[in-house]
Amino acid sequence: KQEVTQIPAALSVPEGENLVLNCSFTDSAIYNLQWFRQDPGKGLTSLLLIQSSQREQTSGRLNASLDKSSGRSTLYIAASQPGDSATYLCAVRPDGGTSYGKLTFGQGTILTVHP
Amino acid sequence: DTEVTQTPKHLVMGMTNKKSLKCEQHMGHRAMYWYKQKAKKPPELMFVYSYEKLSINESVPSRFSPECPNSSLLNLHLHALQPEDSALYLCASSKTTGRETQYFGPGTRLLVL
Repeated sequence: KQEVTQIPAALSVPEGENLVLNCSFTDSAIYNLQWFRQDPGKGLTSLLLIQSSQREQTSGRLNASLDKSSGRSTLYIAASQPGDSATYLCAVRPDGGTSYGKLTFGQGTILTVHP
Repeated sequence: DTEVTQTPKHLVMGMTNKKSLKCEQHMGHRAMYWYKQKAKKPPELMFVYSYEKLSINESVPSRFSPECPNSSLLNLHLHALQPEDSALYLCASSKTTGRETQYFGPGTRLLVL
């Protein structure tokens, strides 16, 4: 059974810092990995999707990397801003089988960026 | 347009009530999902529809009944719920087989009294 772990569980940083969020998964047989952002009481916003054949994806100040063989992904946020404060979730999708539509989520990292 | 809409935003119901949650997307997606999210927990998959057919049911109790009347619409019918069913219910969609990006709606906050 796939298990996804995110470290740290919570992070508080001053504005302007560069930061790294970590995600690890136990089964390397994944099709892709997706990073989401969730504001309190709201739905999820997709940030980046990395296919298993890719090493990284970039969108603006965000960069996500994937090392499938070691079961790890990182989300790098450059020059953090108070508006980045949210819960960040990573989720993996299995490669093959009948559960191809099923995302397995980590517990999330609660990020607070203070002015 | 990458929007998934959900109604209502909030719902309070008694344990004997029957209510429905609605989800809609007009992106031409053929896979749609229901998730349940408890406070401070990640979303848990409940159901997956692929081309209007139920493809995954994660052993959800029968008091939750999904329905996909057409490719744009997904309903979740609720009946005889328990207080522990109180949660944020999220709908999502993706282009086809579920391997593409999933787009989530804002959710329905459900309280069962």
